[in-house]
Formats: sequence, structure tokens, C-alpha cells
Amino acid sequence: RKEVEQDPGPFNVPEGATVAFNCTYSNSASQSFFWYRQDCRKEPKLLMSVYSSGNEDGRFTAQLNRASQYISLLIRDSKLSDSATYLCVVNKEVTGGGNKLTFGTGTQLKVEL
Amino acid sequence: TAGITQAPTSQILAAGRSMTLRCTQDMRHNAMYWYRQDLGLGLRLIHYSNTAGTTGKGEVPDGYSVSRANTDDFPLTLASAVPSQTSVYFCASSEGSSQPQHFGDGTRLSIL
Repeated sequence: RKEVEQDPGPFNVPEGATVAFNCTYSNSASQSFFWYRQDCRKEPKLLMSVYSSGNEDGRFTAQLNRASQYISLLIRDSKLSDSATYLCVVNKEVTGGGNKLTFGTGTQLKVEL
Repeated sequence: TAGITQAPTSQILAAGRSMTLRCTQDMRHNAMYWYRQDLGLGLRLIHYSNTAGTTGKGEVPDGYSVSRANTDDFPLTLASAVPSQTSVYFCASSEGSSQPQHFGDGTRLSIL
């Protein structure tokens, strides 16, 4: 099983729609979770951290389900500018201490007129 | 604020030649990373450094070396480039190893 798994999409949605992505992770001890956004041929940019109680930032809501080991991202009132690839990121403890972040391969979103 | 800077932006290199990709950050972050990104494979960690003076291997370290002489700089060297190293390379930094990472603009490298 991959450490972090995402549906690659693409998710094609009309402007104004609500869309949700899930991401599953394999390491039950993971503590830190993030969503990144990546535009074509650009660098990944942090969208939001994911907290245990869930968190919201404008039109974006992130949730964590530890029992089922997945995180989700909900985008309300989709805009054309939301079109991008969304990367799920999970921390992993490494031998000798410390952590490393593992990136999913991303879910592509296309918002259409 | 510069943040994290990579150079060059792009490069075409003959196979067998050596190349150093530069990465500098001005955020005084402890940890720095090098990734490569290939279509369909996502970001793969090449090498990392949790603090100045230390480095570690990621999931695809073969053919690459790094050094971390100071906090700000984390160069990546290809000693003898091969076509399979054609990729987009991203440098990133973070305050600590479990904190969010901030990325540079990337270097597009083609090995012919």
C-alpha cells in the first residue's frame, strides 16, 4: 500500500460547484497533515494545514479522520482559478528520530464555465 | 522577501557532464530538501538536511550528492549526468522536519 494515496482525477466541475477530495495514508502514527496546491509547471504552495478538529479557510475546509486514516479537502463555490493539482502531504517518522513529509501524487481539478 | 531561490531556472546538459543546482533560503529554516518531479510520479525526495552540517538520503538518492555547509545553502550535485535525470527539481525548506515546506520555483533540467 502506498504511504499516501490520492485519486488522480481529473475532477471536472462547473463554476460554483462544491467538490471534495479524499486522501488516505498508511502510517497510523502520522501527526502532521497538509494540503498543497500546484499549478501547471509551478512549485507546490501550501494551501492549508489539517488539524484534528477540522479547519476552514474561506471556501476551503479540511478534515482529518484518524480512525479511517484519511484527510479530505472540500472546496465550495468553485472558481476558475481553483483549477490546479491538489497534493496531500503526511508526515512520517524516520529511523533515528525526526520526521519527513510524504507527498501524494495529487488530484487534478478543472473548473469549467 | 526572497524566500527560497533556485538557480538556474532551466538547463540543458550533455550526458556525462557534472552540474550543481543551487538553492538558497533567507528564512533561517533548519531543514532543507531536494525533490524531483516527473509526470505521473509526483514529488520524490532525493536528499534532505535537518540542520546545517547534516544530510540524509531520501527515496531516490543515487547519482546525486548534497552538502549543507551553512544554514542558507543546500546545493545538489550531479557528478555524471544521465538522461534519466531529466526532470524538474524543487528545493524546499522548513523550520522543522514536521513543519510545512516552502518551495523554490524549480529548475528544469534536460540531459541529452
